[in-house]
Amino acid sequence: QQQVKQSPQSLIVQKGGISIINCAYENTAFDYFPWYQQFPGKGPALLIAIRPDVSEKKEGRFTISFNKSAKQFSLHIMDSQPGDSATYFCAASDGSRLTFGEGTQLTVNP
Amino acid sequence: NAGVTQTPKFQVLKTGQSMTLQCAQDMNHEYMSWYRQDPGMGLRLIHYSVGAGITDQGEVPNGYNVSRSTTEDFPLRLLSAAPSQTSVYFCASINFGWTEAFFGQGTRLTVV
Repeated sequence: QQQVKQSPQSLIVQKGGISIINCAYENTAFDYFPWYQQFPGKGPALLIAIRPDVSEKKEGRFTISFNKSAKQFSLHIMDSQPGDSATYFCAASDGSRLTFGEGTQLTVNP
Repeated sequence: NAGVTQTPKFQVLKTGQSMTLQCAQDMNHEYMSWYRQDPGMGLRLIHYSVGAGITDQGEVPNGYNVSRSTTEDFPLRLLSAAPSQTSVYFCASINFGWTEAFFGQGTRLTVV
């Protein structure tokens, strides 16, 4: 069973637009929520992460929004660029293991 | 990826053969783990370790063995390869505070 559910499976956005990817979790023991970016043929790379004591974290064009009561978190990519085209994974950790969502393939059209 | 060396990059096995995927990190990270990546299923945790001498099962451990005799190394052993183990395998190394996370470049394994 997938403990972290991610949507959408794929997303197409125009250059300059906002990309939004959503994740939901069930395990209340999760206390660390990272997002990873993966390009074809490469391993995932840590993009941005948040802990549940804050509701939002921003790093450049990337923002995580976190809703603890709803057990949901999302990644917003502002001013999306063709170079952002990749697969994005949300994940959650309980301090010893990292569980991933199914992934979202993002395509940013020029 | 910086600090995580995963070998081999490609491997073809016959059903029933065994092999070991190697993973080494030089960052003194406590956490190491193995994932398999299949289309539409994200990365699924096979085994993980929170320190030398300590290992535990993840979501899909059957058919795989691990050991962690040193902080640096975390090999994954396929005991008797099956076509269902055809996948891309990633090793990950994470520090105690979870602020650093590095993945290896992956091993594309095909079992025929």
